[in-house]
Amino acid sequence: NAGVTQTPKFQVLKTGQSMTLQCAQDMNHEYMSWYRQDPGMGLRLIHYSVGAGITDQGEVPNGYNVSRSTTEDFPLRLLSAAPSQTSVYFCASRTGTGGNQPQHFGDGTRLSIL
Amino acid sequence: AQTVTQSQPEMSVQEAETVTLSCTYDTSESDYYLFWYKQPPSRQMILVIRQEAYKQQNATENRFSVNFQKAAKSFSLKISDSQLGDAAMYFCAYRSHNFNKFYFGSGTKLNVKP
Repeated sequence: NAGVTQTPKFQVLKTGQSMTLQCAQDMNHEYMSWYRQDPGMGLRLIHYSVGAGITDQGEVPNGYNVSRSTTEDFPLRLLSAAPSQTSVYFCASRTGTGGNQPQHFGDGTRLSIL
Repeated sequence: AQTVTQSQPEMSVQEAETVTLSCTYDTSESDYYLFWYKQPPSRQMILVIRQEAYKQQNATENRFSVNFQKAAKSFSLKISDSQLGDAAMYFCAYRSHNFNKFYFGSGTKLNVKP
């Protein structure tokens, strides 16, 4: 019962490098989201998807791209990493059935940009 | 966008005592959902309790209960018989009935003293 799997768990990048954070869920959830967590600011929504082929921006989308080609996968791409993107990133998924259904979170990726 | 406010950055409680964490939110909607998540040092996000806005009865899950005051837009979490394992960051979250976006508060760090 894997749930939401994020890879990698830790990553260090240099300014200007690109990389993709992977997120996969095995619960057949329609909704998937990416958040960043910074000290004192809680979780902020970067991008989200309500189904394969459909994505939309959250509160802090600049500098990030997403795509959703399958129900299971929702990768987050940093095109040109900046020190301001140093954060812990969480992927989450949720079923579309039942409004009170909570999000299920991955274990997070700690990303440092030098 | 909705805002969620947790005014207590850090709190402490003696083991076996009761503690209440505060959360207020700002919305013009009448139908929505509220959640409390726990984040221990392991970084996992764990659902503690949930509440539907249309339900007048306060939700309860074992030692955890909420005081939901819809008119006051308040959603506090009460932890009874506090245990050492309750030490964590606690996040309050809001989700609109019509949208998939979750809005999180900035968190309250709970310390439990033996």
